[in-house]
Amino acid sequence: GAGVSQSPSNKVTEKGKDVELRCDPISGHTALYWYRQSLGQGLEFLIYFQGNSAPDKSGLPSDRFSAERTGGSVSTLTIQRTQQEDSAVYLCASREPGLAGGSYNEQFFGPGTRLTVL
Amino acid sequence: QQQVKQSPQSLIVQKGGISIINCAYENTAFDYFPWYQQFPGKGPALLIAIRPDVSEKKEGRFTISFNKSAKQFSLHIMDSQPGDSATYFCAANSGAGSYQLTFGKGTKLSVIP
Repeated sequence: GAGVSQSPSNKVTEKGKDVELRCDPISGHTALYWYRQSLGQGLEFLIYFQGNSAPDKSGLPSDRFSAERTGGSVSTLTIQRTQQEDSAVYLCASREPGLAGGSYNEQFFGPGTRLTVL
Repeated sequence: QQQVKQSPQSLIVQKGGISIINCAYENTAFDYFPWYQQFPGKGPALLIAIRPDVSEKKEGRFTISFNKSAKQFSLHIMDSQPGDSATYFCAANSGAGSYQLTFGKGTKLSVIP
């Protein structure tokens, strides 16, 4: 079946503009994550959605970052008033609902959106 | 605070050789340790993972060695091939909260013919 898809694949924007990044998770995956991958760095956790529960926003770096997940499926990450330090690859991942020990269900990653802020 | 430290940053290995990447962690609550492989322009993909109740796990040419007392784990790639050239990330998570992965900074592996 189809994997995690993200759009756009590349986004170039000017400093101060707002951007929206989209993630379509694998059908049936109730858990969805956003990560940020900066050059030479590992992946940094941003936010987590699980079903209808309140999202875990503990990784968002500032209040310029927000995300929503509509209907338990598609998610949008919004960055307001973009800054040059926001330039990175933004990755989305989804996984199956947890069973016992479900935290260990594999996270499937999309190809990412490369954001460049000029 | 970097909770998972990965080394080396880059590695060049001859075809047929053994590639070794090391990781160390600090959080004793971590109890799941996956390795991800990432090719340019692609998202990371799970390669192999281990729980701390075993000291080694092997899948084909890929082996994870785990040392719980030292809080270290490593990936060994036997008979390395040019197709293994990619960036490898170690990661960890705990069975609590949102189960997000904490990643190392990655190792860029180049396997030369």
